[in-house]
Amino acid sequence: DAMVIQNPRYQVTQFGKPVTLSCSQTLNHNVMYWYQQKSSQAPKLLFHYYDKDFNNEADTPDNFQSRRPNTSFCFLDIRSPGLGDAAMYLCATSPWKGQTIQYFGAGTRLSVL
Amino acid sequence: GQQLNQSPQSMFIQEGEDVSMNCTSSSIFNTWLWYKQDPGEGPVLLIALYKAGELTSNGRLTAQFGITRKDSFLNISASIPSDVGIYFCAGQLGGSARQLTFGSGTQLTVLP
Repeated sequence: DAMVIQNPRYQVTQFGKPVTLSCSQTLNHNVMYWYQQKSSQAPKLLFHYYDKDFNNEADTPDNFQSRRPNTSFCFLDIRSPGLGDAAMYLCATSPWKGQTIQYFGAGTRLSVL
Repeated sequence: GQQLNQSPQSMFIQEGEDVSMNCTSSSIFNTWLWYKQDPGEGPVLLIALYKAGELTSNGRLTAQFGITRKDSFLNISASIPSDVGIYFCAGQLGGSARQLTFGSGTQLTVLP
């Protein structure tokens, strides 16, 4: 019944080794978000898509990229992970641009060695 | 950016006690949401509030949208062990801004 699915749940990568996190949704929602959440902190928005329209937050590092090949899938690419990028990465969706409620996936916990 | 002040930061309570937490801001919000996050999981929506003064319940949970539109509170009655987790408020500002602003979270521990 999971509607926003993130894979993998746990990802270990090496310092500087590119990594891709994936998110899929069965809700046919127009809007998809990527958040970074560090321990005991609130989620921090990295970027979001309104359909194919990509919106980057001003303080999102260039090291973070995203792709949305179709409505159902969205990817987060970290080109050269640093130790400071170790965090929980959350994907969320909303039905359309004006809808406030966001539905979150279970997250991917990224470790950087 | 806009900030939400969420308090308390953490709470330790006995099973069966009632709990109250709140979020305040200097800005006016159009919508307030309350989420719960279990360890290692994503946030799950508990309650959504859309109008000033609105009081909404979801089982043992009750949340209110403040009259000034600058605050919201969440009450949990008769707490149980599975209430343990982090509770986040999130608000949507008025105007064209559509993104959510999150509070810093309240870590709730329920002691048996």
